[in-house]
Amino acid sequence: QQQVKQSPQSLIVQKGGISIINCAYENTAFDYFPWYQQFPGKGPALLIAIRPDVSEKKEGRFTISFNKSAKQFSLHIMDSQPGDSATYFCAANYGGATNKLIFGTGTLLAVQP
Amino acid sequence: GAVVSQHPSWVICKSGTSVKIECRSLDFQATTMFWYRQFPKQSLMLMATSNEGSKATYEQGVEKDKFLINHASLTLSTLTVTSAHPEDSSFYICSASKAGVSGEQYFGPGTRLTVT
Repeated sequence: QQQVKQSPQSLIVQKGGISIINCAYENTAFDYFPWYQQFPGKGPALLIAIRPDVSEKKEGRFTISFNKSAKQFSLHIMDSQPGDSATYFCAANYGGATNKLIFGTGTLLAVQP
Repeated sequence: GAVVSQHPSWVICKSGTSVKIECRSLDFQATTMFWYRQFPKQSLMLMATSNEGSKATYEQGVEKDKFLINHASLTLSTLTVTSAHPEDSSFYICSASKAGVSGEQYFGPGTRLTVT
């Protein structure tokens, strides 16, 4: 129940295309769902996050779609650019006193010019 | 805002020695700090959670006597790897969260530890 399943493991997209990464969870106690972007040798950077009271959140070219009933959420990167090439992690948070993040396994995105 | 720094960014030490890694929240007070470990091409593994002025809570399987965590102030947490061995070589990343903001964690740039 503590797992967050992420797919695909790797993704190749042409410049200008849409990158889609999916995550699924089991524990309905999760109340915060962030996406992180990580470049090699760097720490993860918060990209965008959503709480379960909304079904979609958009920030620039990045959109989170959230399906509470299906317990799934996804990251869409519109107009993908070579600079978006990185590893993306979804995560889920219990909140409360624990406040721990459970991370997905990561998706290595390569955007080809 | 929400900048977290780590020092050093990389360190090489000899087997059997100890090494300390600092994590600082630069523009906010971090009520909770987290330490993660990441192996190449893998996800982040939470090692421990620390609250200012309290003992750290370690995840299952993490040796608390080997990975000493101190959270002495609202802006500083340290991780000391004691009696380091080559298998401790990894990328160590800290994160910090603000009071009253559930879930949000801001990550440092990471520290690459190599034990020879």
